[in-house]
Amino acid sequence: DIQMTQSPASLSASLGETVTIECRASEDIYNGLAWYQQKPGKSPQLLIYNANSLHTGVPSRFSGSGSGTQYSLKINSLQSEDVASYFCQQYYDYPFTFGSGTKLEIK
Amino acid sequence: EVQLVESGGGLVKPGSSLKLSCVASGFTFSSYGMHWIRQAPKKGLEWIALIYYDSSNKYYADSVKGRFTISRDNSKNTLYLEMNSLRSEDTAMYYCAKYVTAHGFAYWGQGTLVTVSS
Repeated sequence: DIQMTQSPASLSASLGETVTIECRASEDIYNGLAWYQQKPGKSPQLLIYNANSLHTGVPSRFSGSGSGTQYSLKINSLQSEDVASYFCQQYYDYPFTFGSGTKLEIK
Repeated sequence: EVQLVESGGGLVKPGSSLKLSCVASGFTFSSYGMHWIRQAPKKGLEWIALIYYDSSNKYYADSVKGRFTISRDNSKNTLYLEMNSLRSEDTAMYYCAKYVTAHGFAYWGQGTLVTVSS
């Protein structure tokens, strides 16, 4: 199985700041990577697919990058509504696997 | 609008069984593979099962293989997860999800909570 290592586990930042979350795959996943946002008590919502494509309706302050085994999610101009947990997920190969998540809080 | 609505969760004792349902609407259910994903309390997400659009293939995570069975009834637009020999570590929110090719899980249900405890 492909292991997804996500960091950091938690993150605290001020409004307006830029934050970056990293995800490393145990082997090349050829950009088969998605990022999800999960707000407390809610289902996960797709943010980014194919490592760097913005899902419909997602604000442009979210962006994804990376290739091979290393990927990142960047949130520009942090807003209060961005408080959530964020997960990466590889869909290059079954079983699909998720990172352990990053909990983002506002300072 | 795509909607996925799970039901069937509850509190059960270890060793017992439970069957979850997920009713789909807003898309041609019979044309898509469907998945179950779970999330233990305050934990991460775990993919657990996939069924092809025509039930011709089913895949399971090792953690549930041999105990859980995924199925579907395309005439009822409904996905199922039959869970047997439940363990405390199966306690989780169970989501059904629609995977969009090369996009990831674009649609999720609201989840149904399964608690396994004596």
